Amino acid sequence: RKEVEQDPGPFNVPEGATVAFNCTYSNSASQSFFWYRQDCRKEPKLLMSVYSSGNEDGRFTAQLNRASQYISLLIRDSKLSDSATYLCVVKMDSSYKLIFGSGTRLLVRP
Amino acid sequence: DGGITQSPKYLFRKEGQNVTLSCEQNLNHDAMYWYRQDPGQGLRLIYYSQIVNDFQKGDIAEGYSVSREKKESFPLTVTSAQKNPTAFYLCASSLIQGTAEAFFGQGTRLTVV
Repeated sequence: RKEVEQDPGPFNVPEGATVAFNCTYSNSASQSFFWYRQDCRKEPKLLMSVYSSGNEDGRFTAQLNRASQYISLLIRDSKLSDSATYLCVVKMDSSYKLIFGSGTRLLVRP
Repeated sequence: DGGITQSPKYLFRKEGQNVTLSCEQNLNHDAMYWYRQDPGQGLRLIYYSQIVNDFQKGDIAEGYSVSREKKESFPLTVTSAQKNPTAFYLCASSLIQGTAEAFFGQGTRLTVV
């Protein structure tokens, strides 16, 4: 079983739609969680950190469920510019190892 | 300007040759990482380092080697033992605090012919 798993998609949604991605992790000792965005042929960039209490940044909401070992990302009012691959990242605090999921591809159509 | 720099952006090598990819950061980060990304795939961890003169193997370390002689630098050597070296290589750095994000360089596209 992979340490971090994501649905590869693609999720094909119209502009203005709400879309949600989930990511599951296998190691209960995982301590820190992030969502990164990667555009085609570019480096990943931080979208948002995921806090235990959940957090929101504009149209983006991230949540963590430690009991079920998953994190989620919700995008409201999708824009064409949201089209990208979204990577779930888990950080092991004891070793500082950063583990990436394989990414979920989002396509927002006009 | 603080940041993380990878060079070169594109690299072509003949099969059987070793090649070294550069990664330098001036963010005063302790942790540095090397990832490999194949087309349509996620990032796979090759090596990572928490401190100077120490590093650990990631999930796909075979055929690769690293050094961490300076805090700012974490070069990756792709050796001839790596059977399929053509890929996009990404270097990242981070503070070691748990909630600290990682910053990436722009990557090196290695093509072996």
